[in-house]
Amino acid sequence: DAGITQSPRHKVTETGTPVTLRCHQTENHRYMYWYRQDPGHGLRLIHYSYGVKDTDKGEVSDGYSVSRSKTEDFLLTLESATSSQTSVYFCAISGEGHYEQYFGPGTRLTVT
Amino acid sequence: AQSVTQPDIHITVSEGASLELRCNYSYGATPYLFWYVQSPGQGLQLLLKYFSGDTLVQGIKGFEAEFKRSQSSFNLRKPSVHWSDAAEYFCAVGGATDMRFGAGTRLTVKP
Repeated sequence: DAGITQSPRHKVTETGTPVTLRCHQTENHRYMYWYRQDPGHGLRLIHYSYGVKDTDKGEVSDGYSVSRSKTEDFLLTLESATSSQTSVYFCAISGEGHYEQYFGPGTRLTVT
Repeated sequence: AQSVTQPDIHITVSEGASLELRCNYSYGATPYLFWYVQSPGQGLQLLLKYFSGDTLVQGIKGFEAEFKRSQSSFNLRKPSVHWSDAAEYFCAVGGATDMRFGAGTRLTVKP
């Protein structure tokens, strides 16, 4: 299994509060991704990173920001959480020239 | 824009029966295609991938998939399903920065 961890694994927060999710990899892969998974939608890309300090938006980026200050860490921040951001969030990684992605265990976020 | 359609939301098969999960895609260039499996409460695990070459690809756990360019399809098959195959299956298409996933097919296996 690829070395990917996510923290926290579960979080309940209130509307309007900031939330940061962390993804950590031990594979030294170039690409890192944040997805959200919702019933009937599969996985949708939020943001991705193609190197330290290099990030770009995905399909559903509104309300989210990301940062990558080290190769191994990719942070997802919800500046002001809303109930529509209740979801399961997955981090994934991919190596240079390899298009398959490897996924972390997920973070279940509930915004009340 | 690329997209993936998995027409079957839920499929039930008997243990030992054959399985085919359908996947249709739309992609502007030569597609990179994938199948993933997700057990409840888990992340996604890569079953197999197609980049080029032989259109029939073998994966883990006895699964295979066939790429048919003329039909824009990449269907997943298994000749004999085991109870442990019960899970959700996702088809995906794309490259390093534009991966798109289908909505998933949930597989139930009857004893």
